[in-house]
Amino acid sequence: SQTIHQWPATLVQPVGSPLSLECTVEGTSNPNLYWYRQAAGRGLQLLFYSVGIGQISSEVPQNLSASRPQDRQFILSSKKLLLSDSGFYLCAWKGTSGVTIEFFGPGTRLTVL
Amino acid sequence: RKEVEQDPGPFNVPEGATVAFNCTYSNSASQSFFWYRQDCRKEPKLLMSVYSSGNEDGRFTAQLNRASQYISLLIRDSKLSDSATYLCVVFGGMGTYKYIFGTGTRLKVLA
Repeated sequence: SQTIHQWPATLVQPVGSPLSLECTVEGTSNPNLYWYRQAAGRGLQLLFYSVGIGQISSEVPQNLSASRPQDRQFILSSKKLLLSDSGFYLCAWKGTSGVTIEFFGPGTRLTVL
Repeated sequence: RKEVEQDPGPFNVPEGATVAFNCTYSNSASQSFFWYRQDCRKEPKLLMSVYSSGNEDGRFTAQLNRASQYISLLIRDSKLSDSATYLCVVFGGMGTYKYIFGTGTRLKVLA
């Protein structure tokens, strides 16, 4: 069965510090992968998506970046965090057949102080 | 205009009530539609897809109106456990892989 892992579960970081969040998927190959952010009281905002290794599409200009070094690994990074980067970061995947994002990871709750 | 709009609620209803949520979308080329449920501080989980002909899953019924560009979710015989935020999701289509989420409608079912 397919599973998706994210870590860490919670993170508190000072403004200006770097960030690295990791997402890995098991039980599938060549998935489409997504990073979303949900700020307090707001909807999910699509940040990046990837349809294959090394392929990244950015949806929102910001100080975040993403990379996909392996088929089932998706990394979200920042060189310098801003207060506005606080939020609930969710990784999601979709298989190449079918349309639905059926699986979200458990999320990382990031607080930037 | 937002790409996907929902009434944020909260909708406070007694147990056993029927409640309906609507969602409108702006892209007429959108291809697929879904409802997700999100519990507090948890990840969203797929509740049901929405088909043009309408579809039902137990107490939940989803409808799509392409002409008016809205989708709906009807919950019958509400349970306390239905309390959650319900997210409307639209798949962009036209060769994109984008899923656009509404901000969600919060439901509280009261004893």
